[in-house]
Amino acid sequence: EVKLVESGGGLVQPGGSLRLSCAASGFTFSTEPMHWVRQAPGKGLEWVSYISSTSRTIYYADSVKGRYTISRDNVKNSLYLQINSLRDEDTAVFYCARPHSNAMDVWGQGTTVTVSS
Amino acid sequence: QSALTQPASVSGSPGQSITISCSGTSRDFTDYDSVSWYQQYPGKAPKLMIYEVSNRPSGVSNRFSGSKSGNTASLTISGLQAEDEAEYYCSSYSSSSTPFVFGTGTKVTVL
Repeated sequence: EVKLVESGGGLVQPGGSLRLSCAASGFTFSTEPMHWVRQAPGKGLEWVSYISSTSRTIYYADSVKGRYTISRDNVKNSLYLQINSLRDEDTAVFYCARPHSNAMDVWGQGTTVTVSS
Repeated sequence: QSALTQPASVSGSPGQSITISCSGTSRDFTDYDSVSWYQQYPGKAPKLMIYEVSNRPSGVSNRFSGSKSGNTASLTISGLQAEDEAEYYCSSYSSSSTPFVFGTGTKVTVL
């Protein structure tokens, strides 16, 4: 079964940092690019970041450039998102997703990040 | 970055057909046939319903169909059922500074 499982979310104070993880199974992770997508409470989906299979190509949404860092470990079949200088507006459910045919065909269940003092 | 524009809500009675529109700029659509559609229930992860404008993944009902004309893509749900009540998002690759963009989302209500 193809599966993505996010972890690492939690309650963090403004200005803090967090590292989200996404564990992949059931497919050859090392050959697949990956996305992070977030969804603020009651809001729509927002694409956050993309990383190619080799980590050679990385993109970020303008809203997170400079504070978010995407990375991956193809030996551990894991995707990561480092979030620094957390702000209230980073409060969201974060999903990892696998690209397929210019779409995202597999999604994790999401991990919740709450920024609050 | 600018999101693709969708109507906030669309409703229909069981058995009817409804269409959700998704409007963007030439940079969002013209260069790529990469429009996809997602269904999301409250508290759940999105599910891919349509990719590359009009293709259905295995397991998705043929009541769901997609199309595109110029800078507007559409998702049509025919034979509307109670289980179709959910939020729907379009998305596309873009040649703008943000390479991937989602729509604003449409709440589908089955009357």
